Amino acid sequence: EAGVAQSPRYKIIEKRQSVAFWCNPISGHATLYWYQQILGQGPKLLIQFQNNGVVDDSQLPKDRFSAERLKGVDSTLKIQPAKLEDSAVYLCASSLDPQYSPLHFGNGTRLTVT
Amino acid sequence: GENVEQHPSTLSVQEGDSAVIKCTYSDSASNYFPWYKQELGKRPQLIIDIRSNVGEKKDQRIAVTLNKTAKHFSLHITETQPEDSAVYFCAPLIGNTPLVFGKGTRLSVIA
Repeated sequence: EAGVAQSPRYKIIEKRQSVAFWCNPISGHATLYWYQQILGQGPKLLIQFQNNGVVDDSQLPKDRFSAERLKGVDSTLKIQPAKLEDSAVYLCASSLDPQYSPLHFGNGTRLTVT
Repeated sequence: GENVEQHPSTLSVQEGDSAVIKCTYSDSASNYFPWYKQELGKRPQLIIDIRSNVGEKKDQRIAVTLNKTAKHFSLHITETQPEDSAVYFCAPLIGNTPLVFGKGTRLSVIA
C-alpha cells in the first residue's frame, strides 16, 4: 500500500510569514493526526481528525495554527504568522481507527523559521 | 492528562548485548502500548505493540512486557545489532484520546 504522503519536504521562511503543509493519508484510514517534533524531543500532537471532524485540538496554538480535512481525506496545516519557535518537523500520521491501530507516519516537513 | 516517562534517556550497549527501555504512565485506563523506532532523519515507525489484556509479546529479537499494576511497560531488544541504533518512543493510549509520546531513548549499539 502507498504510505502517507506529505509536502513539501523542506521549507524555510522568515518569521511573521505564512506557511502551509499538505498531507494525504493511507487510503481508507479514517483517523489523521498532525504532530510537531522539535529536535531532540518526542512528537507532540497538534490535532487529530476522525474523518473530517476534529477529535482533539487542545494543544494546537489556535491564534496562529489552523488545520482542516475537507472531504475526510487530505489535510492541510497552516501557520500564520510563523515564529522562530515553530521551527520543527511537522509529521502527518494516519491510522485505521483511533484505538489499537498503529500510526503510519509520513516523512514530515522540516520547517525552519529565520 | 497522561504523564509518560521513559528511562533511560540514552543507552549504549555492545553489539550482541541486550537493551531494555522502560516506559511509565500515569493513567490506569491506558489500554494500548506501542513502541516506535525513529532512525536519524527518518519518520517514526511502529516496531511492536501490546494490548492491556496481554502481559508479553515477542517478535524475533524484540519483545514488550506490560505490568499494569505498576503502570509500566518495557521494550526488550536481544542480540543487538548496529542497525538497532535509533531513538525509541513509547506512546501509551488511553481510550479515545490521542497517543502521548514519551521523550525518547537514544540507543547506541557499539560494534
